[in-house]
Amino acid sequence: DAGVIQSPRHEVTEMGQEVTLRCKPISGHDYLFWYRQTMMRGLELLIYFNNNVPIDDSGMPEDRFSAKMPNASFSTLKIQPSEPRDSAVYFCASSPRGGVDVQPQHFGDGTRLSIL
Amino acid sequence: AQSVAQPEDQVNVAEGNPLTVKCTYSVSGNPYLFWYVQYPNRGLQFLLKYITGDNLVKGSYGFEAEFNKSQTSFHLKKPSALVSDSALYFCAVRDGGSSNTGKLIFGQGTTLQVKP
Repeated sequence: DAGVIQSPRHEVTEMGQEVTLRCKPISGHDYLFWYRQTMMRGLELLIYFNNNVPIDDSGMPEDRFSAKMPNASFSTLKIQPSEPRDSAVYFCASSPRGGVDVQPQHFGDGTRLSIL
Repeated sequence: AQSVAQPEDQVNVAEGNPLTVKCTYSVSGNPYLFWYVQYPNRGLQFLLKYITGDNLVKGSYGFEAEFNKSQTSFHLKKPSALVSDSALYFCAVRDGGSSNTGKLIFGQGTTLQVKP
């Protein structure tokens, strides 16, 4: 089991540039989640998908943020234009549909984003 | 509304001593409760969960947690701490009364420092 794969692991870019973060969930998982982690705000849920459909995007901070899941094995989180306050670690997680046995989320190792 | 509180930002224990990391929750339905651990530069790793049944749940690396419905708590415990247990610990809850969304609410995290 390869686990959740995120790329890149580190990204440094200048303010105003477009940033694209990528995620490959665990095969067979129905749910995909995007989180942001900062010292000040902790772990925040940005958006999550069920069977490639966005279910709740209430955590997306602004219109500069967008997320897509074109198929069951790939998702992107884009920031355009990027700002220094977007600097954070972004995590992707996936989980199977649990039914009676509620399943945990499996996290990738994150993308550390620095906006200069 | 669902919420999770981890009242301690940091817990310090000596190696070999028992440890407790506290968590309280608030949900409208039956709670599904989780503990995760995060090591530096890594994603969150699942430790254990409570869905129903025995109030004492055993998980990975010798950790256990006790569900207490009357106190709405789910404290993480270990009888004998190891230096390698030093990490950031997150408690999370899902409202079992809600539709099967898979969405978790995470606490702010507690840093566990185990000293030799």
